[in-house]
Amino acid sequence: TQLLEQSPQFLSIQEGENLTVYCNSSSVFSSLQWYRQEPGEGPVLLVTVVTGGEVKKLKRLTFQFGDARKDSSLHITAAQPGDTGLYLCGPRLRGAQKLVFGQGTRLTINP
Amino acid sequence: NAGVTQTPKFQVLKTGQSMTLQCAQDMNHNSMYWYRQDPGMGLRLIYYSASEGTTDKGEVPNGYNVSRLNKREFSLRLESAAPSQTSVYFCASSEALSGRGTEAFFGQGTRLTVV
Repeated sequence: TQLLEQSPQFLSIQEGENLTVYCNSSSVFSSLQWYRQEPGEGPVLLVTVVTGGEVKKLKRLTFQFGDARKDSSLHITAAQPGDTGLYLCGPRLRGAQKLVFGQGTRLTINP
Repeated sequence: NAGVTQTPKFQVLKTGQSMTLQCAQDMNHNSMYWYRQDPGMGLRLIYYSASEGTTDKGEVPNGYNVSRLNKREFSLRLESAAPSQTSVYFCASSEALSGRGTEAFFGQGTRLTVV
């Protein structure tokens, strides 16, 4: 059973454009994390969202946790080539010890 | 501060050979994980160890075994490698997950090719 889905799977846009990627599930999460993985590297944590409706900003990146804590979005303003990478969302279920991820959104920003 | 260290970084195996991937962390974390990442894909959990002395299956455990040697080290063994196990393997560690989300730290990966 797919715990969560990320969309789109692939996205290629020009530098300076805005974009939004999504992480959706039918399950309620106690929190959710977003990671970015650059080519040849392991993933690195960007943000953790905990409260339903929470919005966090990290420079040009805006993360939102859905009110019902079943979904999340990542919006990038004025994308730059340095934003290129694989964006992974990782949910937390209360009491769960496993750390699983969606299939990711592979983002390419073209100069 | 080394963080999570994986060895080897690259490996080529013949079908049927066995090998052990090593992982060590120096952050005193309780939980450790092994993932595989196939080309163009996300991470799939193979096995995890929530704390020293415990191991559990993840999403894709078939063909693998693990050992939590001590708090620092978590190894992944392929007993009889198959071409379908060609992948990049990542080890990660974190504080025990409380449901509120603590950061996971990843190694640089082991690129394994089975021919």
